[in-house]
Parts: sequence; structure tokens; C-alpha cells
Amino acid sequence: DIQMTQSPSSLSASIGDRVTITCRASQSISSYVNWYQQKSGKAPKVLMYGASSLQSGVPSRFTGSGSGTDFTLTISSLQPEDFATYFCQQSYSIPYTFGQGTKLEIK
Amino acid sequence: QVQLQQSGPGLVTPSQTLSLTCVISGDSVSSNSAAWNWIRQSPSRGLEWLGRTYYRSKWYNDYAVSVKSRITINPDTSKNQFSLQLNSVNPEDMAVYFCARGGTVTTNWFDAWGQGTLVTVSS
Repeated sequence: DIQMTQSPSSLSASIGDRVTITCRASQSISSYVNWYQQKSGKAPKVLMYGASSLQSGVPSRFTGSGSGTDFTLTISSLQPEDFATYFCQQSYSIPYTFGQGTKLEIK
Repeated sequence: QVQLQQSGPGLVTPSQTLSLTCVISGDSVSSNSAAWNWIRQSPSRGLEWLGRTYYRSKWYNDYAVSVKSRITINPDTSKNQFSLQLNSVNPEDMAVYFCARGGTVTTNWFDAWGQGTLVTVSS
């Protein structure tokens, strides 16, 4: 199975800050990474697919990059509704696997 | 817009079978591009993909090795839904279970999710 390792596991930031979350795959997976946002008690919501493509309806302050084994999700200017937990997921091969999550909290 | 509505018991007795259903609206379980997945989430295991069913001229299933001997995912075309059965449950199967729509090509993602069902394993 492909292991997805996210860092940091938690992050404190302020409104307007720029934040970056990193995900590393245990083997090369080209650009087959998706990013999700999850709020408490809700299902995850896809933000980015194919490493850098923005899902329809997602604000442009979210950007994704990377290929091979290293990927990043960046939020350019944090808004109050962005405080949540973020997950990466690889779609390169079955079984699909997720990172352990990054909890983004208000400083 | 695709919507997925889950149903099923939230309490399962150890060694018994967990059964959940996911009703699809806005798409078809027989879609030639979608795949219908079950994913669970627990504090100890995080988000864990369990398996999927999909139709490409015939029905296919893929399952995670960790549950392969115990899991069945079935489509029901008459009701446009799919189901999860997990046999011989134990406390490690306690989690929130989600159904989700994905695809089968390498660039695919889970773009629609059910609301989640908290399953407790207890006698």
C-alpha cells in the first residue's frame, strides 16, 4: 500500500495568514493526489484533484502543487471558514490511501 | 447534483454483520464512469478506503486487503443504491462509515459523500 504522510499534524494560524500543508507519498505517484477539507461532524469535501486542479466552487486562495512523492496545499490568505482538518489522498493505485490529517486552528 | 443518503443501524453486536445502504440521487449506480465506494474514519485508523463497486459492461468490485475476507459491496439497480456488509465485526470496526462517489481512472477523486453513519460495536 502507498503510505501518505502529512505534516504538520496541527497548525495554528491567524486570519489572513498564508499556510502550507505538505504530503509525502511512500513511492512516486505522479500527480495523482487529491486534497480534502473536513469540518467537525461532516464528510470530507474535495478541494483539489490531480495535485493542482481546483474543484469547481472552491475559492482560488487554495492552490496545490507537486508531483512524484512531494505535494503541497497552500491557502494564500486564511479566512474564518478555512479552519478545519485537511487530508491528502492518493488515487494512483488501490487501495486508495489518505494522509493522517492536518488540523488547522485559529491562533 | 449528486446526493448520497446513508441508512442503517448505528449499533452492531460483536461477531455480527454490519449492514449499511447508500441511496443515490442525481446519478446512476450503473454509470459507466462512476464508482461507488465505502470509506470509514476512526481516531485510530484515520480515513480508510474499504472498497467499491462499479459497472463497465459488467459489475466489478475492489476491496481493501484488510477487510477482504469479511466485506461485500453490492449494487441494487432497482433502487439505485449500493450496500455494505461487513461480517464478524469487532471493536476495531467502530468508526464513522461514509459512502462516496469516485471514478476508476487514475485521476479520480471522491466528489460526493454521504452524511456518515457512526457505527458502534457493542453487546
